[in-house]
Amino acid sequence: KQEVTQIPAALSVPEGENLVLNCSFTDSAIYNLQWFRQDPGKGLTSLLLIQSSQREQTSGRLNASLDKSSGRSTLYIAASQPGDSATYLCAVSTGANSKLTFGKGITLSVRP
Amino acid sequence: IAGITQAPTSQILAAGRRMTLRCTQDMRHNAMYWYRQDLGLGLRLIHYSNTAGTTGKGEVPDGYSVSRANTDDFPLTLASAVPSQTSVYFCASSDGSGVTDTQYFGPGTRLTVL
Repeated sequence: KQEVTQIPAALSVPEGENLVLNCSFTDSAIYNLQWFRQDPGKGLTSLLLIQSSQREQTSGRLNASLDKSSGRSTLYIAASQPGDSATYLCAVSTGANSKLTFGKGITLSVRP
Repeated sequence: IAGITQAPTSQILAAGRRMTLRCTQDMRHNAMYWYRQDLGLGLRLIHYSNTAGTTGKGEVPDGYSVSRANTDDFPLTLASAVPSQTSVYFCASSDGSGVTDTQYFGPGTRLTVL
């Protein structure tokens, strides 16, 4: 059974800092890995999707990497801003039917 | 384009009552999903549908049923609600394309069962 772990559960950083959020998964036979953002009381918004054959994806200040063999992914946020404060969830797809297994998320607070 | 809509936004329900959570998408996506999100447990898949007319069980299907009569709608029914079903429920959809498949989420329904 696939398990996805995100540590730490919460993180607080000063504005402007570059930061890395970690995600690990137990079964390397994945179709893709996705990073989502969730604001309090809201649904999830997809940030980046990395296909199993890819090593990284970039969108603006965000860069996500994937190391399938070691079961790890990182989300790099450059020059963090208070507006980046949210919960970031990692999820992996291990089947053709696109079912996702989620980590519990990392709650990020960026202090002005 | 609205994306995914869910109704109701929130609901307080007496234990033993029947409840249907509604989900509608306007993206003509093949696949739809229902998740529940609980503090400390994260998001867990309840049921899914790869295409209209088919459904499947997720990680926590007991006490819930779904139907997929058409592409756009994917209602989730609690036949006899219990307090452990108190949660935030999210509906999602995707085009079902496999490795490039991104899921899009609705705003959620907050359900309290007393």
